[in-house]
Amino acid sequence: DGGITQSPKYLFRKEGQNVTLSCEQNLNHDAMYWYRQDPGQGLRLIYYSQIVNDFQKGDIAEGYSVSREKKESFPLTVTSAQKNPTAFYLCASSMEPGPTGEQYFGPGTRLTVT
Amino acid sequence: GEDVEQSLFLSVREGDSSVINCTYTDSSSTYLYWYKQEPGAGLQLLTYIFSNMDMKQDQRLTVLLNKKDKHLSLRIADTQTGDSAIYFCAERPYSSASKIIFGSGTRLSIRP
Repeated sequence: DGGITQSPKYLFRKEGQNVTLSCEQNLNHDAMYWYRQDPGQGLRLIYYSQIVNDFQKGDIAEGYSVSREKKESFPLTVTSAQKNPTAFYLCASSMEPGPTGEQYFGPGTRLTVT
Repeated sequence: GEDVEQSLFLSVREGDSSVINCTYTDSSSTYLYWYKQEPGAGLQLLTYIFSNMDMKQDQRLTVLLNKKDKHLSLRIADTQTGDSAIYFCAERPYSSASKIIFGSGTRLSIRP
């Protein structure tokens, strides 16, 4: 079964702790993305990576960090510097360069920080 | 700049057609997409249209693109309760190799 997996589905952390969200894909896609979704809002791009060992900041990168050591994996760390980390986090991937550019999404991780 | 706008809510009666509208600002957009998100889940790609097309039909889904007005719509025929979800419009600007710009989503609810 090809697809994108995110784990865990729900994550709870205390304020001041860093937390890492997992994203794995077996679609052989070069590009991967992290989005944040807040209630009633669209998706906002945190970071993206077009190729292994390279990544770029998205629109709201402050307080987040990523790594891309393997093609299949793009973990996101939410650091204690992120002022409002409670949100639904979505990972996606796409062919790069793909003819049509569509992105495929994982099931998401809901992070709650108290 | 790049911006995609949608109305937040739409309510339709079961069996009727639903029409979800979207406007975008980047006239260089190459592809435009519709995604569906069910509660607590990721986004599922429903369909996409290339910018040189006016219409695309796929079973109960019809996408209309008015490039002059930068207006995209998604029509769902014979709307069913399983169509209840948030629908996102998205564009891929020509200037962006891989970034997609998403609207804020339209929540579709179905009345019996």
